[in-house]
Amino acid sequence: DAGITQSPRHKVTETGTPVTLRCHQTENHRYMYWYRQDPGHGLRLIHYSYGVKDTDKGEVSDGYSVSRSKTEDFLLTLESATSSQTSVYFCAHGESTYEQYFGPGTRLTVT
Amino acid sequence: GQNIDQPTEMTATEGAIVQINCTYQTSGFNGLFWYQQHAGEAPTFLSYNVLDGLEEKGRFSSFLSRSKGYSYLLLKELQMKDSASYLCAVSMNTGFQKLVFGTGTRLLVSP
Repeated sequence: DAGITQSPRHKVTETGTPVTLRCHQTENHRYMYWYRQDPGHGLRLIHYSYGVKDTDKGEVSDGYSVSRSKTEDFLLTLESATSSQTSVYFCAHGESTYEQYFGPGTRLTVT
Repeated sequence: GQNIDQPTEMTATEGAIVQINCTYQTSGFNGLFWYQQHAGEAPTFLSYNVLDGLEEKGRFSSFLSRSKGYSYLLLKELQMKDSASYLCAVSMNTGFQKLVFGTGTRLLVSP
């Protein structure tokens, strides 16, 4: 399973509610990433982390925040979910920036 | 900016050979990745090219021409299980190595 899990795997929520997605890796890797995948767009980077408490924005970061208080956990928060954030969210990790191992994904629907 | 193009869909017959092309225009190019993604699953790493030429790994080979901004993934002796999406991703060095993904090529292998 590439040493990575995501929870929840599926979630339906209403517009305006906060949502937190969790990514957990067991490989002690330094780098972690959050992507979203939408038809016609491919995988797009939301945020990434290069160490505990070290995070930065990707290309589609508006409306999202992240936190990494432990090496193994990387949280993605939608402060106030919107329908445009309906998507499949993938987390990835790697020891170097040349490798990325993806989690199973979270399917989020915002109604 | 960056632009990555690959065909949306391809079909092929079991036992045949198929070539999936990827062209890119990016700044700070560092290398090119190919990932395989079965429907509803996580992307999995197939290959990484940083130098010009062909990299062979079993039934799969990947080629890169940096001067032409071109890569292809070659799949030989196609099997039904090769039906999946194939994602081309460019590694960019913008202070931090990031992957920028194409929209993917859905390959359907028929008997």
